[in-house]
Amino acid sequence: KAGVTQTPRYLIKTRGQQVTLSCSPISGHRSVSWYQQTPGQGLQFLFEYFSETQRNKGNFPGRFSGRQFSNSRSEMNVSTLELGDSALYLCASSLESASGKGGELFFGEGSRLTVL
Amino acid sequence: QKEVEQDPGPLSVPEGAIVSLNCTYSNSAFQYFMWYRQYSRKGPELLMYTYSSGNKEDGRFTAQVDKSSKYISLFIRDSQPSDSATYLCASFRLTGANSKLTFGKGITLSVRP
Repeated sequence: KAGVTQTPRYLIKTRGQQVTLSCSPISGHRSVSWYQQTPGQGLQFLFEYFSETQRNKGNFPGRFSGRQFSNSRSEMNVSTLELGDSALYLCASSLESASGKGGELFFGEGSRLTVL
Repeated sequence: QKEVEQDPGPLSVPEGAIVSLNCTYSNSAFQYFMWYRQYSRKGPELLMYTYSSGNKEDGRFTAQVDKSSKYISLFIRDSQPSDSATYLCASFRLTGANSKLTFGKGITLSVRP
C-alpha cells in the first residue's frame, strides 16, 4: 500500500514568490493535515481538510492556504514568501477526520522549502 | 506556555541503556497521547498510542501517561543504534471542529554502539 506522497521534496524560492506543495494521501484516507516543522518551533499545525472542506485551522497568517480535491489529494500554497517560511512542510493523512476518533496520522516525507 | 512541552535535547546514550523521554501538557481536556518517531530526512511515524492514563507496552517500548500530573513518558529498554531518531510526543483532544494533534518540539536521541 503506497504511503503519503509529497512533491516536490526540495525547493528553493526567493522572498516575495509563492509556492504550491502537493500531497497525495494513502488510498482511502479522506483527511489530510498540513504541518510546518522548524528547529525552533517544532511541528506546528497549519490546517486540516476532510472531504474537500477545511475542518481545522492553525494560527498562521492568510498567506498560507490550502485546498483538497475530490480524490482527497491536497495542495497548500504560501504566497509572498518570507525568510521565516523556510521549513519542512509535512502532509499527513488519516482514515477519518482528526475531528473523529483517533488522531493517528500517517506522514509523508515532507517538502523542504528554502526561502532566500 | 505551549500546550505540550518536551524535555530539550539532544540525548546521547550507550547501546543497551534504558532511555526515558518525557513531556508535560497543560490542557486537561487532552484525551489521547502519542509518541512519534522521526528518522533523519523522513516524516514522523506513529510509535505508541494511548488513551487516558496508564501504561502501554510494545516490545522494548513503554508509554506511560499520568493525567493527574499531566505527564507523558516513553521508556526504551535495551536501546539500539537503530533507535537513534527524533521522538515527538503529541496530545489530542476530541472536541469536533477544533480537534487537532498538538506536538512537542521533539528530542533527538543518539544511541552509541
